[in-house]
Amino acid sequence: GAGVSQSPSNKVTEKGKDVELRCDPISGHTALYWYRQSLGQGLEFLIYFQGNSAPDKSGLPSDRFSAERTGGSVSTLTIQRTQQEDSAVYLCASSYLAGGSYEQYFGPGTRLTVT
Amino acid sequence: KQEVTQIPAALSVPEGENLVLNCSFTDSAIYNLQWFRQDPGKGLTSLLLIQSSQREQTSGRLNASLDKSSGRSTLYIAASQPGDSATYLCAVGTGANNLFFGTGTRLTVIP
Repeated sequence: GAGVSQSPSNKVTEKGKDVELRCDPISGHTALYWYRQSLGQGLEFLIYFQGNSAPDKSGLPSDRFSAERTGGSVSTLTIQRTQQEDSAVYLCASSYLAGGSYEQYFGPGTRLTVT
Repeated sequence: KQEVTQIPAALSVPEGENLVLNCSFTDSAIYNLQWFRQDPGKGLTSLLLIQSSQREQTSGRLNASLDKSSGRSTLYIAASQPGDSATYLCAVGTGANNLFFGTGTRLTVIP
């Protein structure tokens, strides 16, 4: 079956512009996660959605970052007024929580470059 | 906050050698531990998932062990191949929410 997909695969934007990154999770997966991988650093958790519950936004680095998940499926991560330090690979993952496995499946990522 | 450390940061071995990658974590109250592989410019591929109640998992030439009480996991790769060259990431899950990742071990298998 289809895995997690993300678009665009690459995005170059000018400092100060807004960007939207999209994630399509695996069909039937109820949980969706966003992570950020900066050059030379580990993966950093950003936000977690589970069903209709309020998202866990504890990892968002500033109020310029927001995310939504429509209809319990597709998610969009929005970064407003982008800064050069936002340059990173943004990874999305999804998980099927029933059965207690919680195994996360990752998409290929979106490489964001802020110039 | 859970902290995950992977040693070594980089490893280079000749083809055919068996090798062990190490992962340690500071809080033993984990739900599961996942090992991933990341190829340059690519996303993460899940290799093995160990639940907190398990001691090890095996898939082909890969074997992952978990010692929760000491906060350690190892990934054993048997008979390494050049195609195994990648960065290997260890991630600790504390429930349904986020994973805590180590910074990875970059493995190079020399033909």
